[in-house]
Amino acid sequence: DAGVIQSPRHEVTEMGQEVTLRCKPISGHNSLFWYRQTMMRGLELLIYFNNNVPIDDSGMPEDRFSAKMPNASFSTLKIQPSEPRDSAVYFCASTVDRDSYNSPLHFGNGTRLTVT
Amino acid sequence: AQSVTQLGSHVSVSEGALVLLRCNYSSSVPPYLFWYVQYPNQGLQLLLKYTTGATLVKGINGFEAEFKKSETSFHLTKPSAHMSDAAEYFCAVSLDSNYQLIWGAGTKLIIKP
Repeated sequence: DAGVIQSPRHEVTEMGQEVTLRCKPISGHNSLFWYRQTMMRGLELLIYFNNNVPIDDSGMPEDRFSAKMPNASFSTLKIQPSEPRDSAVYFCASTVDRDSYNSPLHFGNGTRLTVT
Repeated sequence: AQSVTQLGSHVSVSEGALVLLRCNYSSSVPPYLFWYVQYPNQGLQLLLKYTTGATLVKGINGFEAEFKKSETSFHLTKPSAHMSDAAEYFCAVSLDSNYQLIWGAGTKLIIKP
């Protein structure tokens, strides 16, 4: 079990540039989550997919943020254009069954995004 | 509305001492309760959870937590701290599904040699 894989681990970009974060969930997991972590706001759920379909994107802060899950093994979170306030650690997490408490969330190691 | 309060953004204990991390929640009905741990530069991982049944739950690495409904608390304890326990610990609650977790702000545990 390779775990949830995120890339890149670190991303430094200039304001206005497009940023794409990538996530490969654990094989067999059918729910995928994107979180953002900052000192000021803690952990925030951005969007949640079930069986590759976006279910709840109410946490996506602005239209500059978009997420896709073209298949069960890959998801992207895109920010275009990026702004300094987007600087944060972005986590992807997956779980076998969103409705079962016997199925914990498995987090990737995160992407640390710095927008200058 | 549900909320989670973790008392103390930082807790410092000596190696070998008792670890106590506090978590209180507000909810109109008994929630499901979780503790996750985040080691430096890593994602979060489940430490333990309470869903139903026994109110004292045991997790990984010698941690345990007790659900006290009357106190609306779910404090995390470990009898003897180890240097490897240094991490940030997050309490979370949910009423109805795995994904709608309400997260606490986190408590950073510092272990003094």
